[in-house]
Amino acid sequence: SAVISQKPSRDICQRGTSLTIQCQVDSQVTMMFWYRQQPGQSLTLIATANQGSEATYESGFVIDKFPISRPNLTFSTLTVSNLSPEDSSIYLCSVRDTGTDTQYFGPGTRLTVL
Amino acid sequence: GENVEQHPSTLSVQEGDSAVIKCTYSDSASNYFPWYKQELGKRPQLIIDIRSNVGEKKDQRIAVTLNKTAKHFSLHITETQPEDSAVYFCAGNAGGTSYGKLTFGQGTILTVHP
Repeated sequence: SAVISQKPSRDICQRGTSLTIQCQVDSQVTMMFWYRQQPGQSLTLIATANQGSEATYESGFVIDKFPISRPNLTFSTLTVSNLSPEDSSIYLCSVRDTGTDTQYFGPGTRLTVL
Repeated sequence: GENVEQHPSTLSVQEGDSAVIKCTYSDSASNYFPWYKQELGKRPQLIIDIRSNVGEKKDQRIAVTLNKTAKHFSLHITETQPEDSAVYFCAGNAGGTSYGKLTFGQGTILTVHP
């Protein structure tokens, strides 16, 4: 399975600032996704990161708030903009194993907004 | 879109007992159903999955069953051990395509008492 790393693992940010999270995979993957997991909750898909084109956002998530980049098949970034305390969550990237349906998750980034 | 309901939200068993977690899905075109285990502070880990052309799949103490007609699937853990204690999430792929988007259930907190 793909080895996925995320940076930072955690951060504490001030209201109104932004945080950019990086996701690196050790092999080329077609599909990369970004999820949010609020405290004690399930996983909610934010968007699909498309290589070479704009990300595809799920209902309730917009590009201005969650800009995503995917410059190549092994790397993606998620920015959470104009932070508010409600953005305090764990953000996880996920990749779909090429040729299968299997999805693996990165270790997550724990964001706390003060 | 796909909607996945998971029950129960909490499950407490004695070591050695069996545990069963059930999920229902709404999209009859869904064809891939993974189960993830998430320990406290860790990433979700895939433990077993099933595709719609199969009714049951086993891996040691873990099994998953799928009833396509009723649109529900279940996770069975036999001979539970304290290390099985975690949050378990079921998921279904949206729209039955190979696109890879997963919709997750609400999660079940499993506690195995020694």
